[in-house]
Amino acid sequence: QQPVQSPQAVILREGEDAVINCSSSKALYSVHWYRQKHGEAPVFLMILLKGGEQKGHEKISASFNEKKQQSSLYLTASQLSYSGTYFCGTGGRDDKIIFGKGTRLHILP
Amino acid sequence: NAGVMQNPRHLVRRRGQEARLRCSPMKGHSHVYWYRQLPEEGLKFMVYLQKENIIDESGMPKERFSAEFPKEGPSILRIQQVVRGDSAAYFCASSPGRPQETQYFGPGTRLLVL
Repeated sequence: QQPVQSPQAVILREGEDAVINCSSSKALYSVHWYRQKHGEAPVFLMILLKGGEQKGHEKISASFNEKKQQSSLYLTASQLSYSGTYFCGTGGRDDKIIFGKGTRLHILP
Repeated sequence: NAGVMQNPRHLVRRRGQEARLRCSPMKGHSHVYWYRQLPEEGLKFMVYLQKENIIDESGMPKERFSAEFPKEGPSILRIQQVVRGDSAAYFCASSPGRPQETQYFGPGTRLLVL
């Protein structure tokens, strides 16, 4: 039931774009995205609920395809501060959230 | 508005001792979740609690581990007779309502078992 994230790791140069994918084998009600820097707590980025709604926050946006049980996180014109590990969490309507293993993103200057 | 608070931030225990980890949720939040994270790994769900109730403890080992969220005071994750394999970062998160609402994480407690 753990969602699968891809890629496992990615290295970019500052200003490049990145896409992180999250897929589940079970029907989803919500997808939650977090970023965690080394030694720190996960920080909430956005939540997407059933309905295919795309959300955005500055240069970070995400989509949720409930039919395919997938979500993608889009990082546009990446900045050094975007470095970290990105986790997606998925769940049913009243279920606990199960997190994927994470995608490590490293931005080079 | 204070965020989720956890203490202690670092805890060192010898094998066989007990570890008590505390979590105070954000103001107005009545749902608490505990996660364990090993180095370079993801967040593993342990237990989900509401005030005075354990809702889902499917991720928590049956032995040595227990959790509570009393009517008054913080949520407590208790590990009895710790072993080296218990060494990890333990994160608490809280949400105002059911799990599908945004969960906010505390800074974590890093447990080291010698």
